[in-house]
Amino acid sequence: GAVVSQHPSRVICKSGTSVKIECRSLDFQATTMFWYRQFPKQSLMLMATSNEGSKATYEQGVEKDKFLINHASLTLSTLTVTSAHPEDSSFYICSARRQGASLGEAFFGQGTRLTVV
Amino acid sequence: RKEVEQDPGPFNVPEGATVAFNCTYSNSASQSFFWYRQDCRKEPKLLMSVYSSGNEDGRFTAQLNRASQYISLLIRDSKLSDSATYLCVVRGSARQLTFGSGTQLTVLP
Repeated sequence: GAVVSQHPSRVICKSGTSVKIECRSLDFQATTMFWYRQFPKQSLMLMATSNEGSKATYEQGVEKDKFLINHASLTLSTLTVTSAHPEDSSFYICSARRQGASLGEAFFGQGTRLTVV
Repeated sequence: RKEVEQDPGPFNVPEGATVAFNCTYSNSASQSFFWYRQDCRKEPKLLMSVYSSGNEDGRFTAQLNRASQYISLLIRDSKLSDSATYLCVVRGSARQLTFGSGTQLTVLP
């Protein structure tokens, strides 16, 4: 089946530093990938839609200069959390939709648990 | 009002019990509906789609009532391995999925 790989799975960083998270579709091409954030006991909140070869579309309230998204190829999207602060600590997860898959079937990466200290 | 609302639970049920989860959505233009399962600290995985005619997959039955904007999931003969958080998911006219906050289920031996 389709596999989406997300790396790293866990990262601890100091306040003020930047963290890059990678999302790769391993056996299919994904023209669109989605980035979500999930706080404890809350739902996945869509942050942005990443489109290959064009700018990402950010949801209301998500700072595009803080959460940089680059979708440089059909199999890779990256999310960079710039100047991270403790309130950015969360579970970040990407998903990709494969062409031909059912409309609700999104393949998720394993998620990245970010802790900013 | 949240776009997708679920009872957060937790639901603690004995093995073999039948348990039902409910979900309501606010956007009447929503087009597709799903239940996802999320284990602790893991990514969500599609459990099943939900259709107006109702659909069943083994011990799982999902139902959609468009008039009431209500979705349900019924789990029969609960297993220990069913313990997870169940996410109600709605897709609108855009391609994004909107997730409910999830209902936590613990099946007890």
